Amino acid sequence: GAGVSQSPSNKVTEKGKDVELRCDPISGHTALYWYRQSLGQGLEFLIYFQGNSAPDKSGLPSDRFSAERTGGSVSTLTIQRTQQEDSAVYLCASSLARGTETQYFGPGTRLLVL
Amino acid sequence: GESVGLHLPTLSVQEGDNSIINCAYSNSASDYFIWYKQESGKGPQFIIDIRSNMDKRQGQRVTVLLNKTVKHLSLQIAATQPGDSAVYFCADRRGGADGLTFGKGTHLIIQP
Repeated sequence: GAGVSQSPSNKVTEKGKDVELRCDPISGHTALYWYRQSLGQGLEFLIYFQGNSAPDKSGLPSDRFSAERTGGSVSTLTIQRTQQEDSAVYLCASSLARGTETQYFGPGTRLLVL
Repeated sequence: GESVGLHLPTLSVQEGDNSIINCAYSNSASDYFIWYKQESGKGPQFIIDIRSNMDKRQGQRVTVLLNKTVKHLSLQIAATQPGDSAVYFCADRRGGADGLTFGKGTHLIIQP
């Protein structure tokens, strides 16, 4: 079946602009995660959704970052007033359910803030 | 500080040899560990995982070993192939946490 998909695959924006990144999890997966990967680094956990429950926002780096998940499926990560340090690959992952740990990742969105 | 880290940033092996990638963790509350492979321009690909109540788990050409006494995790790849060239990340889930905590990665290079 289809894996996790993300769009756009690449995004170039100007400092100060807002961006929206989209994630479509694997069908039937109720848990969804967002991570950020800076150049040459490991992944940094940002936020987690379980179904329609309120998200765990503990990893969000600032209040410019927000995310929502509609209908327990598609998720959007929004970065407001982007800064150059926001440039990174933003990765989405999904798992069957909370407590089912294996997370499957999408290809990521490469964000470049000029 | 608490972290999942890797001993070597780059590992070079001959094609056909076995590869061993090591990882250390510091949080004794970690209850789940996982290895991912990431090729250039792609998202991480699941390889194998292990729970803290196990010390060894085998997959196809891969074995993960967990030593809780010294908080050490390793990934063994048998008969390394050119397609194994990638960056390998270990990650752990700390008890009660939702997200995984990743190390910085080891770049595995296969020499012909």
